[in-house]
Amino acid sequence: DSGVTQTPKHLITATGQRVTLRCSPRSGDLSVYWYQQSLDQGLQFLIQYYNGEERAKGNILERFSAQQFPDLHSELNLSSLELGDSALYFCASTRSPMGGDPRPYFGPGTRLTVL
Amino acid sequence: QQQVKQSPQSLIVQKGGISIINCAYENTAFDYFPWYQQFPGKGPALLIAIRPDVSEKKEGRFTISFNKSAKQFSLHIMDSQPGDSATYFCAASVGNTPLVFGKGTRLSVIA
Repeated sequence: DSGVTQTPKHLITATGQRVTLRCSPRSGDLSVYWYQQSLDQGLQFLIQYYNGEERAKGNILERFSAQQFPDLHSELNLSSLELGDSALYFCASTRSPMGGDPRPYFGPGTRLTVL
Repeated sequence: QQQVKQSPQSLIVQKGGISIINCAYENTAFDYFPWYQQFPGKGPALLIAIRPDVSEKKEGRFTISFNKSAKQFSLHIMDSQPGDSATYFCAASVGNTPLVFGKGTRLSVIA
């Protein structure tokens, strides 16, 4: 158990809908990363937050947005869903982006299925 | 542009054999190279990592070999066991930037 929690575990929805994925980082971790894992693309970095502020942006679509709250949990919002958005979404956390142990610890993921 | 290229895509190894997975990178500024192991239905978990100031790191049956001049690094799993069957990802990062992952290798260890 990495200490990172994600809810829900599974999500099935229809095209055009909007969903919210939730992540709680490990205790003490300030930085949260979101990754998308699909069969043909592997793990793609979406976005990173550090202590409530956006720190880095990857291949995140404009239909997707995220935020990190004062209690450090993070939410990833996916809107106008398309079939191609079906994937596993992982959250990962680290203590700090400034030195120290750089390794992110991954949560168990949310499997999103868009029908 | 894929910054970390991983091969092979899948690998079948006999129990007790050596599994070898290779990665090549392009960005010479990368300074952290971890390997992650992922079982079905689980998130990736850090297996072993190396920095470019050493050429090899060993932890139990797992070894990373690093070739800075060739911009390549590899994971060797000695005495492979059925329990090692999983998907393995190499990754790389610069400083504290987010990890860039390879596309993964599905390893099957058969008895």
